[in-house]
Amino acid sequence: EAQVTQNPRYLITVTGKKLTVTCSQNMNHEYMSWYRQDPGLGLRQIYYSMNVEVTDKGDVPEGYKVSRKEKRNFPLILESPSPNQTSLYFCASKRIDSNQPQHFGDGTRLSIL
Amino acid sequence: QKEVEQDPGPLSVPEGAIVSLNCTYSNSAFQYFMWYRQYSRKGPELLMYTYSSGNKEDGRFTAQVDKSSKYISLFIRDSQPSDSATYLCAMSVEGNKLVFGAGTILRVKS
Repeated sequence: EAQVTQNPRYLITVTGKKLTVTCSQNMNHEYMSWYRQDPGLGLRQIYYSMNVEVTDKGDVPEGYKVSRKEKRNFPLILESPSPNQTSLYFCASKRIDSNQPQHFGDGTRLSIL
Repeated sequence: QKEVEQDPGPLSVPEGAIVSLNCTYSNSAFQYFMWYRQYSRKGPELLMYTYSSGNKEDGRFTAQVDKSSKYISLFIRDSQPSDSATYLCAMSVEGNKLVFGAGTILRVKS
């Protein structure tokens, strides 16, 4: 089954404790992206990757890091989480062709206390 | 001003009604237009995908794009309780980076 898998699905942690949210896709997609979803703001792009070892900032990259060492994986790293990063996070992937849609994971709800 | 504006609702309709969901945008360079449906505790799933202007129909769903007015719509005919979800419009200039509306909550009452 074609899917984007995120882990963990839920996490409650404390300010300053480094955490990583993993994202893996099994569709051999070149393009992967991280979004955060906040009430009234919709989904906003954090980082994206056009292919292995190629990453770039989205609209709200502050406080986040990513890496793309393998085509299937695109982890999101919060080195020193703060309460304003409490949000619902989604990973997505797509073929690089412009007319292909993005496929989303089921989300990771992060609470930073 | 947000690049994509979408009324958050909630929109509550009786079963069988025709639903109209809308988004306006300010960036005239957008040429890819999408509607996603998002159920509670799930990721967005693609409903409709339109390139440039015009209409596209898929079953009970019709998507319309009016680039001259910078306005897109999604119509749902014969709405069902299972259509209750949040509907997100999304747009792209080059087909990869998406800009989303805030989402409209739809409730279809049986």
